[in-house]
Amino acid sequence: GDSVTQMEGPVTLSEEAFLTINCTYTATGYPSLFWYVQYPGEGLQLLLKATKADDKGSNKGFEATYRKETTSFHLEKGSVQVSDSAVYFCALSEWGGSEKLVFGKGTKLTVNP
Amino acid sequence: SAVISQKPSRDICQRGTSLTIQCQVDSQVTMMFWYRQQPGQSLTLIATANQGSEATYESGFVIDKFPISRPNLTFSTLTVSNMSPEDSSIYLCSVLGGVSSYNEQFFGPGTRLTVL
Repeated sequence: GDSVTQMEGPVTLSEEAFLTINCTYTATGYPSLFWYVQYPGEGLQLLLKATKADDKGSNKGFEATYRKETTSFHLEKGSVQVSDSAVYFCALSEWGGSEKLVFGKGTKLTVNP
Repeated sequence: SAVISQKPSRDICQRGTSLTIQCQVDSQVTMMFWYRQQPGQSLTLIATANQGSEATYESGFVIDKFPISRPNLTFSTLTVSNMSPEDSSIYLCSVLGGVSSYNEQFFGPGTRLTVL
């Protein structure tokens, strides 16, 4: 079945540091890829998405590029802020199938001032 | 994006009892989903609920334990039956986005359940 593997956390960075959270996937079809974020005490929010190869999703300074050849969707941000401290989940769904989301285990990011 | 509310936001229950969680959406949606997030873990899909049909359960989840209702296009309930401490989790409903966000899912705030 489909699966998502993302780097183990927790990740601790200083403010303005560069962030990369690795995500790779296994899928039987041609999935859409997502990054969701869960801020402390809040619900799950969609951060960005990409629906086809070489698409780049971006939002709030975060970016991720759909790499079909490496089955990856790594999340990056050039300069993190304390307010970026959250848990980040990589996920995929197969459009036209069940549309269910398959999530990675999540990576907790802490940004220190 | 859809606005989703859940009730209750949290509850503490005794083992052997049941709890029904409500999910209300501010617009009509075809597909609704129920997920479970166990402490420190990722989200796992319990079932997909479409209006007018039986819910479709994922492997490891059964209707007797997690009965779901979907009486209309804006509302669904999930019941956690005969609870045990292992059912302590956050339960989230989500909906599939509309035309402008066709394959995005929007999540409710979750219901934090603790079973003693």
